Amino acid sequence: NAGVTQTPKFRILKIGQSMTLQCTQDMNHNYMYWYRQDPGMGLKLIYYSVGAGITDKGEVPNGYNVSRSTTEDFPLRLELAAPSQTSVYFCASTLGQASSYNSPLHFGNGTRLTVT
Amino acid sequence: DQQVKQNSPSLSVQEGRISILNCDYTNSMFDYFLWYKKYPAEGPTFLISISSIKDKNEDGRFTVFLNKSAKHLSLHIVPSQPGDSAVYFCAARSTSGTYKYIFGTGTRLKVLA
Repeated sequence: NAGVTQTPKFRILKIGQSMTLQCTQDMNHNYMYWYRQDPGMGLKLIYYSVGAGITDKGEVPNGYNVSRSTTEDFPLRLELAAPSQTSVYFCASTLGQASSYNSPLHFGNGTRLTVT
Repeated sequence: DQQVKQNSPSLSVQEGRISILNCDYTNSMFDYFLWYKKYPAEGPTFLISISSIKDKNEDGRFTVFLNKSAKHLSLHIVPSQPGDSAVYFCAARSTSGTYKYIFGTGTRLKVLA
């Protein structure tokens, strides 16, 4: 059971370039999340989704876009990369159904992105 | 505004002793609280959680305490082991229907052999 898989593991972008961070989960979880971790700043929520076709903003959504066309996949898009988006990005998922209301997040191993 | 706060960036403890990690929150709508452990170059790993209807939850060497009136939770690790050395994050989820999980800034625990 792979859990939450993120690709790529590392990426270097030039300012103004765009890219998509991929996230897929095989646990049939309804809810998926994107976080970024900056040194000393903990994990900040970028976007989340409670099901296919439904997304919502988190704490730091500016500069990012998401889509959720399937239960399994939740890609994060950076359109015009900026140095401030240098960070480690984590995708997470949870069941989110009433029968498992208190369910923890399961995380992928992250994508380390550098924008220069 | 930081809704979940971990005011101690780091903590050092001798092997075999108790480690106590603290977390404060400001949002009274949080109803589910979690602790995660993170090693370098890996994603956070779930450790233990507690619902707001309880004040204590145990799982082996790990115990989480919740004081709702003080809006404070703590993680106790007894006995501490060198393999426990990692960054620990507390997190909280709101009942307001948004299903957001908000994280603190983390505490780096170092267990000395």
